[in-house]
Amino acid sequence: AAGVIQSPRHLIKEKRETATLKCYPIPRHDTVYWYQQGPGQDPQFLISFYEKMQSDKGSIPDRFSAQQFSDYHSELNMSSLELGDSALYFCASSLRSDTQYFGPGTRLTVL
Amino acid sequence: AQTVTQSQPEMSVQEAETVTLSCTYDTSESDYYLFWYKQPPSRQMILVIRQEAYKQQNATENRFSVNFQKAAKSFSLKISDSQLGDAAMYFCAYLAPGAQKLVFGQGTRLTINP
Repeated sequence: AAGVIQSPRHLIKEKRETATLKCYPIPRHDTVYWYQQGPGQDPQFLISFYEKMQSDKGSIPDRFSAQQFSDYHSELNMSSLELGDSALYFCASSLRSDTQYFGPGTRLTVL
Repeated sequence: AQTVTQSQPEMSVQEAETVTLSCTYDTSESDYYLFWYKQPPSRQMILVIRQEAYKQQNATENRFSVNFQKAAKSFSLKISDSQLGDAAMYFCAYLAPGAQKLVFGQGTRLTINP
């Protein structure tokens, strides 16, 4: 079965640079979620989209923005990167507000 | 606000034995979803099992089963016939009705001893 696809899988950036993470949900899933997982921590919810509209927002910094496109893929844009942004970023998708299936994650390292 | 607590930071079990991971949660809702996710060293988050609160029957997926005690707000995961591939961090998670945000516990690291 098709799974959630995330790209890139690894990303290294310098402080103050910009990063864009991409997510392709499972086909026919209409909801996309973004989570951030720091070292030794549980995943923290950032933001979600349902049918291309922002549906919920968590502790997402103002430096981050996201959107869902007409083909349902989503992008998380991160600007003015800080050392503390180094983490594993997960995208998940679901059919409406049901079981969330996670992608493999993007490991972001900020130097 | 809903909270999820996993009181066992680490657990270990002998291969082929049975182990139970604990999870408690706090909510004022009557209908919700509960999940167990597994995160192996690859860091992928893999769904293990799902429980709907309005269903009294405990969910089962092959060697994995849950003991859902709604009144006690307890949701433990039992792994039977443990295998080396079960070694991972296990997260319990709560989803409120109509909500988007999964609330995770702190995780339990499970080690399988050969």
